[in-house]
Amino acid sequence: QVQLQESGPGLVKPSQTLSLTCTVSGDSISSGGYYWTWIRQRPGKGLEWIGNIHYSGTTYYNPSLRGRVTMSEERSKNQFSLKLPSVTAADTAVYYCARDNRGNGFDIWGQGTMVTVSS
Amino acid sequence: SYVLTQPPSVSVAPGETARITCVGNNIGDKSVHWYQQKPGQAPVLVVYNDSDRPSGIPARFSGSNSRNTATLAISRVEAGDEADYYCQVWDTTSDERVFGGGTKLTVL
Repeated sequence: QVQLQESGPGLVKPSQTLSLTCTVSGDSISSGGYYWTWIRQRPGKGLEWIGNIHYSGTTYYNPSLRGRVTMSEERSKNQFSLKLPSVTAADTAVYYCARDNRGNGFDIWGQGTMVTVSS
Repeated sequence: SYVLTQPPSVSVAPGETARITCVGNNIGDKSVHWYQQKPGQAPVLVVYNDSDRPSGIPARFSGSNSRNTATLAISRVEAGDEADYYCQVWDTTSDERVFGGGTKLTVL
């Protein structure tokens, strides 16, 4: 079955760049018309959609983060990535990657990875 | 930006039906998805496209959507249903995915 796994540093210093990767197994990120997505959840708070990358390579970002966030894909490794520069404590959160099933909801999620922004 | 509003909390006795609302402007024109999140776990899709259930989700979970309110209903509530629930839509005018603020379901 399709599985997603986040990876990246758990601790990032303020003003540095947060970089995360999601590895997809059981399916190709290049097929199926899916949107490969990043979502975060600050401690004790709700879910926040960060953005997604369509299998065509088109990206869509949350307007509140547009200008800061960049998503990309590495098809040869079946991975997609998130970069968030100039982080502050407000970027401390659990970051999830997920599959958006063609607009029919996020049907598959990674387990999430906690990223703390602290010096 | 499109806004979805959920009640912060809902309480229900075991065996009763819990109803969690999600209010948005003309939300009835959009497809609504619902997620269940238990502490320390990733969310799980429990209802998609207003009222469809993914495989493996009990029929006790159902959804409806009309005009300005979507509703997730959980019948014959069990202790294991205690969790946070989130609604979500795709705002096609801006291509944003939007979540509601979440509702904590407490089973008394």
